[in-house]
Amino acid sequence: DAGITQSPRHKVTETGTPVTLRCHQTENHRYMYWYRQDPGHGLRLIHYSYGVKDTDKGEVSDGYSVSRSKTEDFLLTLESATSSQTSVYFCAISEGALRTGELFFGEGSRLTVL
Amino acid sequence: AQSVTQLDSHVSVSEGTPVLLRCNYSSSYSPSLFWYVQHPNKGLQLLLKYTSAATLVKGINGFEAEFKKSETSFHLTKPSAHMSDAAEYFCVVSPTGNQFYFGTGTSLTVIP
Repeated sequence: DAGITQSPRHKVTETGTPVTLRCHQTENHRYMYWYRQDPGHGLRLIHYSYGVKDTDKGEVSDGYSVSRSKTEDFLLTLESATSSQTSVYFCAISEGALRTGELFFGEGSRLTVL
Repeated sequence: AQSVTQLDSHVSVSEGTPVLLRCNYSSSYSPSLFWYVQHPNKGLQLLLKYTSAATLVKGINGFEAEFKKSETSFHLTKPSAHMSDAAEYFCVVSPTGNQFYFGTGTSLTVIP
């Protein structure tokens, strides 16, 4: 299994509070991604990173920010959580090469915003 | 533009019968294609991938998929369903190797 660790795995918080989810990899892959999974929507990309301090927005980035200060860590921050951000969040990593690249996923972080 | 359409949101089969999960894609490039499986409360696991070699791709647990460029399809099949195959399946297209586009998933139920 790819070495990807997400923390926390479960979190319950209140509307308006800040939340940070952490993704840690031991594979030294260049690309890291944050997705959210909601019923009927599959997985939707929030933000991704293509190197240290290099990040870009995905299709559902509003209300989220990310940071990558080290190759192995990718943080997702909800500055002021809302109930619409209740979801399961998955971190994924990839080498980024067309014919060999694939996504490896963490186990997910379930966030409930009350 | 890239997109992935999984034609069935739910599929039910009896144990021991064939499985067919359908996926169509559109891509401006010659993409890589993947099928992932997600068991309840778990992350996504790679079943198989197509990366421009053989058009018939074999994966884990007896699954296979055939890339048909003329039909822009990448359907997932298995000759005989097992109870442990009950899960959510996602078709994914990658035109560049660092961007991935997901279908909305197909939930497979296996009836004993």
